[in-house]
Amino acid sequence: DAGVIQSPRHEVTEMGQEVTLRCKPISGHDYLFWYRQTMMRGLELLIYFNNNVPIDDSGMPEDRFSAKMPNASFSTLKIQPSEPRDSAVYFCASSRFPWGSYNEQFFGPGTRLTVL
Amino acid sequence: DAKTTQPNSMESNEEEPVHLPCNHSTISGTDYIHWYRQLPSQGPEYVIHGLTSNVNNRMASLAIAEDRKSSTLILHRATLRDAAVYYCILQRTGAQKLVFGQGTRLTINP
Repeated sequence: DAGVIQSPRHEVTEMGQEVTLRCKPISGHDYLFWYRQTMMRGLELLIYFNNNVPIDDSGMPEDRFSAKMPNASFSTLKIQPSEPRDSAVYFCASSRFPWGSYNEQFFGPGTRLTVL
Repeated sequence: DAKTTQPNSMESNEEEPVHLPCNHSTISGTDYIHWYRQLPSQGPEYVIHGLTSNVNNRMASLAIAEDRKSSTLILHRATLRDAAVYYCILQRTGAQKLVFGQGTRLTINP
């Protein structure tokens, strides 16, 4: 398996532009997570999906952020309009529905976003 | 979510054992103890998890105190590749969210 795939790996944009980050989870995984990592705030969960349905979006910072999962193999995180404070590394992770007590999360390589 | 406390940084030498501590005094009976690590410029990766008993896998060992208020991740023979930030996380049984703290930055000296 190729693991969790994220694109692009790096994105540089100007303030006010729309940014779309993409994620392909591991095949067969039922859960998909979006995280953001900054030096100041560490690694934060933004939103997660179960079977393509958003379950908890309490970590989404504001209305400028939106996430979708149109099917089991694809998810997007969109920022519109982008601001310099959105600069961070965004990680996508997926996991299988727990059989037993625990389900390991598998993380992608991340997208480094720079908003000028 | 119950909180964990870890030292900000630790340093060790290559080929020596490393003991990474984690305090979780408010842990509940249904909380699992998980360890993830993040190598430089990579996403976090799972290391090990446990509930009450000590656990071993190919990467590490997890020693859990009898009262479960603390645990220790043990790397038996550190290599340079083990230099990473190590996160100790509590997760309630059946919960999906992982709440990451600041972790411990481990430096391995050659």
